This record gives sequence, structure tokens and C-alpha cells, in this order.
Amino acid sequence: ETGVTQSPTHLIKTRGQQVTLRCSSQSGHNTVSWYQQALGQGPQFIFQYYREEENGRGNFPPRFSGLQFPNYSSELNVNALELDDSALYLCASSLGGQEYNEQFFGPGTRLTVL
Amino acid sequence: GENVEQHPSTLSVQEGDSAVIKCTYSDSASNYFPWYKQELGKGPQLIIDIRSNVGEKKDQRIAVTLNKTAKHFSLHITETQPEDSAVYFCAASWVYGDKLIFGTGTRLQVFP
Repeated sequence: ETGVTQSPTHLIKTRGQQVTLRCSSQSGHNTVSWYQQALGQGPQFIFQYYREEENGRGNFPPRFSGLQFPNYSSELNVNALELDDSALYLCASSLGGQEYNEQFFGPGTRLTVL
Repeated sequence: GENVEQHPSTLSVQEGDSAVIKCTYSDSASNYFPWYKQELGKGPQLIIDIRSNVGEKKDQRIAVTLNKTAKHFSLHITETQPEDSAVYFCAASWVYGDKLIFGTGTRLQVFP
């Protein structure tokens, strides 16, 4: 077990709605990265938060946004949900500012958009 | 751009045999190469990683090799067991990088 937790485990939404996913990082880690994993594919990087600031962003539209809190937990918000947003959303915890980008993943949140 | 190719997409072996999964990366600045095992309904689990200053690393039945010149790295699993059955992903990142770039995954099936 990595000590990274995510909630909820499953979520069903309808197109156009908004969703918030949550992640608690491993003890001692100050960085959270979010990934989207579509069925049968590898995880795709959404963005990373380091010490409460966005530290990098992948090729995702602005309706994907995030926050990191002083305790280093994080939220992923998705507005105006589309059918293609159905995926497993993973957060990964790490110690930022390190030469080697070692990341530990949580169990994920399965989002279904109908 | 950044890209990681992974082969094969599926691999079936008999229990006790060896399994090899290969990846190629495009960005020569990459310096960190982790391997993740993902079981059904779970998040990826880091099983081994290798840094660019090392050519080979071993942990019990699992080993990883890195050829920086060819931009190849491989996962070797010896004496496979049914519980090794899962999807395996390779990934790459670079110095002080933010994201991991993942391969497309290999579904390994180990038959008793």
C-alpha cells in the first residue's frame, strides 16, 4: 500500500455536470499529480501541484482544474462533463524538487459520464 | 515530442517461464524509468525503477535493463507465477520532471 487515498471510488454523472475528486498524499510528500486513464490505455498526465501551486500541465482543456491544500491533499475539478471524460482518474504522490520523479499512485476514482 | 513505445501488448507464458517487456523512449533528456503493475480495478503499483546512471537493477525475480544509447529499457520477470498476471506499464521522466510519460501497457497472463 502506498498510503495515497482517493475518494470517491466510483462516481456516475451526466453530461454537462461538474465533478470534484479528492486525493490525500502519502505522509511526507508535498506534490500531487493527476492522471486520466481511459479504458485499455496508459495514464495521461493532467497536471501537477507542488506546495499549493500548479507546477505543470498536460494537454487538457481549462475545464479541468485543481487545487492543493496546506496539508498537501488535492482536488481535481472537471466542469461541463463530456462522455469522453469517462475514465479512471489517478492521483500520484511524490516529494517535489527531486532529481528523479518517483511517484506513488492511489487506487483511483472511476468516473462514468452518461 | 515525448513518447514511450511498449511491446508486446499481450504476453502469455507458462508458469515458471520468463517474461520480457520492452520499451523505447524518444526524449534523450529522460533520466528515470519506472515500471508499474496494475491489477484489475486498482491503481498502478511501482514494482521497480532505474535511473539513467545505472545499466541494470535487480530485485528478486524482477530486473530492469537500460540502454541509453539506443533509448531502450526492458523489464525481465523470471520464474513467473500466476499472481504476476496483470497489466504492466513502463514510463519515463526527466531531471526534475513533473509528469511521467507512460507506455501503452502489456497484459501479461501466466498460465499454471
